[in-house]
Amino acid sequence: GQQVMQIPQYQHVQEGEDFTTYCNSSTTLSNIQWYKQRPGGHPVFLIQLVKSGEVKKQKRLTFQFGEAKKNSSLHITATQTTDVGTYFCAEGNGGATNKLIFGTGTLLAVQP
Amino acid sequence: DVKVTQSSRYLVKRTGEKVFLECVQDMDHENMFWYRQDPGLGLRLIYFSYDVKMKEKGDIPEGYSVSREKKERFSLILESASTNQTSMYLCASSPPWGRTEAFFGQGTRLTVV
Repeated sequence: GQQVMQIPQYQHVQEGEDFTTYCNSSTTLSNIQWYKQRPGGHPVFLIQLVKSGEVKKQKRLTFQFGEAKKNSSLHITATQTTDVGTYFCAEGNGGATNKLIFGTGTLLAVQP
Repeated sequence: DVKVTQSSRYLVKRTGEKVFLECVQDMDHENMFWYRQDPGLGLRLIYFSYDVKMKEKGDIPEGYSVSREKKERFSLILESASTNQTSMYLCASSPPWGRTEAFFGQGTRLTVV
Protein backbone atom coordinates (compact mmCIF):
# COMPACT_ATOMS: atom_id res chain seq x y z
CA GLY A 1 0.00 0.00 0.00
CA GLN A 2 0.85 3.66 -0.12
CA GLN A 3 3.85 4.53 2.05
CA VAL A 4 4.07 8.29 1.56
CA MET A 5 2.31 10.29 4.27
CA GLN A 6 1.68 13.98 3.82
CA ILE A 7 0.67 16.53 6.47
CA PRO A 8 -1.35 18.56 7.02
CA GLN A 9 -4.33 17.44 4.99
CA TYR A 10 -5.69 20.98 4.88
CA GLN A 11 -4.29 24.41 5.68
CA HIS A 12 -6.06 27.74 5.67
CA VAL A 13 -3.90 30.88 5.78
CA GLN A 14 -4.28 34.61 5.41
CA GLU A 15 -2.63 36.06 2.35
CA GLY A 16 0.94 36.97 3.23
CA GLU A 17 1.40 34.19 5.79
CA ASP A 18 3.84 31.36 5.23
CA PHE A 19 2.84 27.77 4.53
CA THR A 20 4.62 24.44 4.84
CA THR A 21 3.62 20.92 3.87
CA TYR A 22 5.56 17.82 4.88
CA CYS A 23 6.01 14.47 3.23
CA ASN A 24 7.23 11.44 5.18
CA SER A 25 8.11 7.94 4.11
CA SER A 26 8.85 4.79 6.07
CA THR A 27 11.51 3.85 3.53
CA THR A 28 14.46 5.61 1.94
CA LEU A 29 13.34 7.44 -1.18
CA SER A 30 15.21 7.37 -4.45
CA ASN A 31 13.84 10.74 -5.40
CA ILE A 32 10.86 12.90 -4.62
CA GLN A 33 8.76 15.09 -6.84
CA TRP A 34 6.31 17.84 -6.01
CA TYR A 35 3.15 18.67 -7.95
CA LYS A 36 0.50 21.36 -7.70
CA GLN A 37 -3.14 20.85 -8.64
CA ARG A 38 -5.26 23.96 -9.00
CA PRO A 39 -8.99 23.60 -8.21
CA GLY A 40 -10.66 21.86 -11.15
CA GLY A 41 -7.31 21.16 -12.78
CA HIS A 42 -4.83 18.33 -13.03
CA PRO A 43 -1.51 17.92 -11.20
CA VAL A 44 1.37 19.87 -12.68
CA PHE A 45 5.01 19.08 -11.96
CA LEU A 46 6.91 21.60 -9.82
CA ILE A 47 10.28 20.06 -9.03
CA GLN A 48 12.29 16.91 -8.41
CA LEU A 49 14.77 16.35 -5.56
CA VAL A 50 17.35 13.60 -5.77
CA LYS A 51 20.23 14.27 -3.39
CA SER A 52 20.31 13.90 0.37
CA GLY A 53 19.87 17.32 2.03
CA GLU A 54 19.07 18.99 -1.27
CA VAL A 55 17.39 22.40 -1.18
CA LYS A 56 15.88 24.04 -4.24
CA LYS A 57 14.07 27.33 -4.62
CA GLN A 58 11.54 28.59 -7.10
CA LYS A 59 10.74 32.21 -6.31
CA ARG A 60 8.71 32.02 -3.05
CA LEU A 61 8.76 28.19 -2.95
CA THR A 62 11.52 26.29 -1.13
CA PHE A 63 11.81 22.53 -1.46
CA GLN A 64 13.89 20.39 0.85
CA PHE A 65 14.92 16.73 0.85
CA GLY A 66 15.88 15.27 4.21
CA GLU A 67 19.37 14.07 5.00
CA ALA A 68 18.16 10.49 5.36
CA LYS A 69 16.03 10.81 2.20
CA LYS A 70 12.93 9.78 4.12
CA ASN A 71 11.17 13.13 4.23
CA SER A 72 10.68 16.28 2.25
CA SER A 73 9.02 19.65 2.68
CA LEU A 74 7.62 22.46 0.58
CA HIS A 75 7.60 25.93 2.10
CA ILE A 76 5.83 28.91 0.57
CA THR A 77 6.82 32.35 1.79
CA ALA A 78 4.22 35.11 1.87
CA THR A 79 1.37 33.19 0.26
CA GLN A 80 -0.72 34.73 -2.47
CA THR A 81 -4.19 33.79 -3.68
CA THR A 82 -2.59 32.24 -6.75
CA ASP A 83 -1.00 29.63 -4.46
CA VAL A 84 -4.40 28.06 -3.79
CA GLY A 85 -4.56 24.38 -4.66
CA THR A 86 -3.51 20.93 -3.56
CA TYR A 87 0.18 20.16 -3.24
CA PHE A 88 1.30 16.58 -3.69
CA CYS A 89 4.61 14.90 -3.13
CA ALA A 90 5.35 11.81 -5.15
CA GLU A 91 7.89 9.09 -4.56
CA GLY A 92 9.72 7.91 -7.65
CA ASN A 93 11.64 4.70 -7.69
CA GLY A 94 14.29 6.34 -9.83
CA GLY A 95 14.75 3.35 -12.03
CA ALA A 96 14.03 2.84 -15.69
CA THR A 97 10.34 2.42 -15.05
CA ASN A 98 9.91 5.42 -12.72
CA LYS A 99 6.82 4.19 -10.92
CA LEU A 100 5.31 7.17 -9.09
CA ILE A 101 3.47 6.85 -5.78
CA PHE A 102 1.74 10.01 -4.61
CA GLY A 103 1.15 11.32 -1.13
CA THR A 104 -2.31 12.21 0.13
CA GLY A 105 -1.86 15.89 -0.67
CA THR A 106 -2.27 19.13 1.25
CA LEU A 107 -5.07 21.47 0.26
CA LEU A 108 -4.05 25.10 0.70
CA ALA A 109 -6.70 27.80 1.03
CA VAL A 110 -5.56 31.43 1.02
CA GLN A 111 -7.85 34.13 2.33
CA PRO A 112 -7.28 37.57 0.76
CA ASP B 1 4.34 20.58 -25.37
CA VAL B 2 3.46 17.16 -24.06
CA LYS B 3 -0.16 16.34 -24.47
CA VAL B 4 -2.02 13.65 -22.58
CA THR B 5 -5.61 13.35 -23.69
CA GLN B 6 -8.36 11.44 -21.94
CA SER B 7 -11.33 10.47 -24.06
CA SER B 8 -14.03 11.90 -21.82
CA ARG B 9 -14.21 14.67 -19.24
CA TYR B 10 -17.46 13.40 -17.69
CA LEU B 11 -19.01 9.95 -17.86
CA VAL B 12 -22.14 8.44 -16.32
CA LYS B 13 -22.52 4.68 -16.37
CA ARG B 14 -24.86 2.14 -14.84
CA THR B 15 -23.90 -0.47 -12.28
CA GLY B 16 -22.69 -3.62 -13.99
CA GLU B 17 -21.69 -1.95 -17.25
CA LYS B 18 -18.27 -2.50 -18.79
CA VAL B 19 -16.51 0.85 -18.93
CA PHE B 20 -13.51 1.88 -21.01
CA LEU B 21 -11.44 4.95 -20.16
CA GLU B 22 -9.00 5.85 -22.89
CA CYS B 23 -5.79 7.83 -22.64
CA VAL B 24 -3.46 8.91 -25.44
CA GLN B 25 -0.09 10.67 -25.17
CA ASP B 26 1.89 12.23 -27.99
CA MET B 27 5.42 12.30 -26.58
CA ASP B 28 6.51 8.72 -27.15
CA HIS B 29 6.74 8.14 -23.38
CA GLU B 30 7.43 4.62 -22.20
CA ASN B 31 5.59 4.96 -18.91
CA MET B 32 1.87 5.46 -18.50
CA PHE B 33 -0.22 5.48 -15.35
CA TRP B 34 -3.81 5.36 -14.21
CA TYR B 35 -4.64 7.03 -10.91
CA ARG B 36 -7.83 7.46 -9.02
CA GLN B 37 -8.39 10.65 -7.00
CA ASP B 38 -10.81 10.81 -4.06
CA PRO B 39 -11.10 13.55 -1.41
CA GLY B 40 -8.69 12.99 1.46
CA LEU B 41 -7.06 10.00 -0.23
CA GLY B 42 -4.83 11.76 -2.73
CA LEU B 43 -3.86 10.05 -5.95
CA ARG B 44 -3.88 6.28 -5.72
CA LEU B 45 -2.14 4.24 -8.38
CA ILE B 46 -4.38 1.69 -10.07
CA TYR B 47 -2.10 0.36 -12.79
CA PHE B 48 1.16 1.29 -14.37
CA SER B 49 2.63 0.34 -17.76
CA TYR B 50 6.31 0.71 -18.60
CA ASP B 51 6.15 -0.58 -22.16
CA VAL B 52 3.76 -1.92 -24.74
CA LYS B 53 1.91 -4.94 -23.37
CA MET B 54 3.77 -4.56 -20.04
CA LYS B 55 1.82 -3.67 -16.93
CA GLU B 56 2.18 -3.66 -13.21
CA LYS B 57 -0.47 -3.48 -10.51
CA GLY B 58 -0.61 -0.38 -8.37
CA ASP B 59 -2.08 -0.04 -4.90
CA ILE B 60 -5.75 -0.53 -5.82
CA PRO B 61 -6.07 -2.78 -8.92
CA GLU B 62 -9.14 -4.71 -7.77
CA GLY B 63 -12.07 -4.28 -10.15
CA TYR B 64 -9.88 -2.82 -12.89
CA SER B 65 -7.83 -4.07 -15.80
CA VAL B 66 -5.71 -2.27 -18.38
CA SER B 67 -4.62 -2.61 -21.95
CA ARG B 68 -1.62 -1.19 -23.75
CA GLU B 69 -1.46 -2.47 -27.30
CA LYS B 70 0.26 0.64 -28.66
CA LYS B 71 2.84 2.85 -27.00
CA GLU B 72 0.72 5.98 -27.13
CA ARG B 73 -2.49 4.51 -25.77
CA PHE B 74 -3.32 3.16 -22.31
CA SER B 75 -6.83 2.02 -21.53
CA LEU B 76 -8.42 1.46 -18.15
CA ILE B 77 -11.26 -1.07 -18.07
CA LEU B 78 -13.89 -1.47 -15.40
CA GLU B 79 -15.17 -4.97 -16.06
CA SER B 80 -18.41 -4.47 -14.12
CA ALA B 81 -18.80 -0.95 -12.82
CA SER B 82 -19.89 -0.48 -9.23
CA THR B 83 -20.97 2.62 -7.33
CA ASN B 84 -17.75 2.61 -5.27
CA GLN B 85 -15.84 3.22 -8.49
CA THR B 86 -17.41 6.65 -8.80
CA SER B 87 -14.36 8.89 -8.81
CA MET B 88 -12.00 11.14 -10.74
CA TYR B 89 -9.64 9.13 -12.93
CA LEU B 90 -6.35 10.63 -14.02
CA CYS B 91 -4.02 9.30 -16.68
CA ALA B 92 -0.36 10.31 -16.80
CA SER B 93 2.73 9.57 -18.85
CA SER B 94 6.45 10.01 -18.26
CA PRO B 95 9.79 9.13 -19.80
CA PRO B 96 11.89 6.56 -17.93
CA TRP B 97 15.18 8.39 -17.52
CA GLY B 98 16.53 11.83 -16.69
CA ARG B 99 13.87 14.42 -16.04
CA THR B 100 11.15 12.01 -15.06
CA GLU B 101 8.22 14.29 -14.39
CA ALA B 102 4.78 12.92 -15.12
CA PHE B 103 2.36 14.75 -17.41
CA PHE B 104 -1.31 14.41 -16.63
CA GLY B 105 -4.45 14.37 -18.68
CA GLN B 106 -7.40 16.57 -17.75
CA GLY B 107 -9.13 13.75 -15.87
CA THR B 108 -12.39 11.83 -16.30
CA ARG B 109 -15.10 12.28 -13.71
CA LEU B 110 -16.90 8.92 -13.68
CA THR B 111 -20.23 8.51 -11.94
CA VAL B 112 -21.68 5.01 -11.58
CA VAL B 113 -25.39 4.98 -10.82
